[in-house]
Amino acid sequence: GAVVSQHPSRVICKSGTSVKIECRSLDFQATTMFWYRQFPKQSLMLMATSNEGSKATYEQGVEKDKFLINHASLTLSTLTVTSAHPEDSSFYICSALGQDYPLNTEAFFGQGTRLTVV
Amino acid sequence: AQSVTQPDIHITVSEGASLELRCNYSYGATPYLFWYVQSPGQGLQLLLKYFSGDTLVQGIKGFEAEFKRSQSSFNLRKPSVHWSDAAEYFCAVGGYQKVTFGIGTKLQVIP
Repeated sequence: GAVVSQHPSRVICKSGTSVKIECRSLDFQATTMFWYRQFPKQSLMLMATSNEGSKATYEQGVEKDKFLINHASLTLSTLTVTSAHPEDSSFYICSALGQDYPLNTEAFFGQGTRLTVV
Repeated sequence: AQSVTQPDIHITVSEGASLELRCNYSYGATPYLFWYVQSPGQGLQLLLKYFSGDTLVQGIKGFEAEFKRSQSSFNLRKPSVHWSDAAEYFCAVGGYQKVTFGIGTKLQVIP
């Protein structure tokens, strides 16, 4: 099946620095990717929808200037957490819609990135 | 707006016992429904999906789910649980592009 690779799997950064997380679709082209955030013992909350070649669409309450999303190619979307603070510590997961979604495929998920801001 | 309710946050079952995880959804049109499983610190793996056709859907690892439009439900079942099934299970409803997840049900399996 289709594979989505997310990197890094874990990152620890100092407060005030920026962190970039990559999400790649390895064997298919993804015009749309999603970024989710998962707090401990909670569900995945959609942060933004990333469309190749255009600006991301952010969900209500998500700061677009803090969570910068770039979808420069059909196989790569990046999420940059700018000026990170401890409250940004969380599990971030990306997903990409497979080709012919939803008829013949589904949303494929990356392995997730555990961000810890110290 | 689409939404998903998983009323059971935590379920404990004995190994070998049957399992049913509940999921109710709200969606304005024909829903696309999914069940995902997440192991600790890992991403999500698709167990099964429903788009149309037969309302009883078979998935991987011996799981199945039944779509009941009248009840707006898509419950996940397994006849005999294995210890390796301990994980968190998410029900999701998808529209054209957006996928909305339930809060998840954490499954604990005891010997």
